[in-house]
Amino acid sequence: ETGVTQTPRHLVMGMTNKKSLKCEQHLGHNAMYWYKQSAKKPLELMFVYNFKEQTENNSVPSRFSPECPNSSHLFLHLHTLQPEDSALYLCASSQDRARDTQYFGPGTRLTVL
Amino acid sequence: KNEVEQSPQNLTAQEGEFITINCSYSVGISALHWLQQHPGGGIVSLFMLSSGKKKHGRLIATINIQEKHSSLHITASHPRDSAVYICAVRTLRGSQGNLIFGKGTKLSVKP
Repeated sequence: ETGVTQTPRHLVMGMTNKKSLKCEQHLGHNAMYWYKQSAKKPLELMFVYNFKEQTENNSVPSRFSPECPNSSHLFLHLHTLQPEDSALYLCASSQDRARDTQYFGPGTRLTVL
Repeated sequence: KNEVEQSPQNLTAQEGEFITINCSYSVGISALHWLQQHPGGGIVSLFMLSSGKKKHGRLIATINIQEKHSSLHITASHPRDSAVYICAVRTLRGSQGNLIFGKGTKLSVKP
């Protein structure tokens, strides 16, 4: 398997649920990213990990909790979300943090009821 | 006002037409990216450029650093080119600039 994969592709959850999004990259990259894409808004950077260390948290609410156990895997743990958190969540990776092209996964379409 | 503005927001073209999508930005950048997002959501990087012009198949991207403007051209457009095209700039802020994205241009090419 190659590229960047994300699971699940679709997720519907209630506001009291706890769920996790998973991202895996098979490209040997060192940097991984979580983005949020809401309707009619630009992509928003949420978190950046470089060599498994979180290097950026873009003022994301604490109900979103990232985890990077190794440089190939990235998780986004979700709890007590709000309906306005419904969006497409995209994972990306790049060879390094500073200059390289980012490769995106297919995204997880999240609906919070 | 967004730091990255794209025009038009929506574009409908007939198959075979020459298409231009524009991107203007208001911050200092080290590079500009053009990305393609298909209806399923997946994003593909088309170009990364910091000066001049790049060509890949029927796609051409140009950038004018002085004018803070970039264009993406599609020659001999085809229905499979239908997608959202997103401009993103890598800023000079901090030691490792972040990507700032435009809202995208939704292109529909009719047969």
